[in-house]
Amino acid sequence: GAGVSQSPSNKVTEKGKDVELRCDPISGHTALYWYRQRLGQGLEFLIYFQGNSAPDKSGLPSDRFSAERTGESVSTLTIQRTQQEDSAVYLCASSRDLLGTLTSYEQYFGPGTRLTVT
Amino acid sequence: GENVEQHPSTLSVQEGDSAVIKCTYSDSASNYFPWYKQELGKGPQLIIDIRSNVGEKKDQRIAVTLNKTAKHFSLHITETQPEDSAVYFCAASPYTGFQKLVFGTGTRLLVSP
Repeated sequence: GAGVSQSPSNKVTEKGKDVELRCDPISGHTALYWYRQRLGQGLEFLIYFQGNSAPDKSGLPSDRFSAERTGESVSTLTIQRTQQEDSAVYLCASSRDLLGTLTSYEQYFGPGTRLTVT
Repeated sequence: GENVEQHPSTLSVQEGDSAVIKCTYSDSASNYFPWYKQELGKGPQLIIDIRSNVGEKKDQRIAVTLNKTAKHFSLHITETQPEDSAVYFCAASPYTGFQKLVFGTGTRLLVSP
């Protein structure tokens, strides 16, 4: 079946511009996560969506970052007034997150969007 | 909050040798510890995971051990092959139900034929 898809695969933008990154999760996955991966570093949690619950935005680095998700489908991560330090690979993951059941923990990752801010 | 440290940052082995990657975590409440493999240009892929009620888990050539007292866990790869070359990340989850993963900084494994 189809995995997590992300678009665009690469994005080059000028400092100060806004960018929008898209994530299509695996069908039926109720949980969706965004991570940032700076060059040579681990993954940094940004935001988590679970069904219709309020998202956990505790990882967003500044108010220039925001994300939306419609139901259990597509999510978009928006970065306003991009800065050079925003350059990174942005990874989206989804899972069959069943709250409190400890049933399934595997997060399936997309290939990422490489963002370069010049 | 949770902090995960991972060592070594790079590891070079000969084909057929074993490779061991070690991680430590800080939050004693963490109860889930996955390992991900990331190949160039791709997203991370889960290769094995372990929960806090288990001390060891094995899947063919890979195994993970967990020492909750010492708060460290390790990935063991035996009979390494060139296709094992990749970046490996450990992670810890301090929550139940919500899998907010805190990742280590990664280990680049190079297996030479």
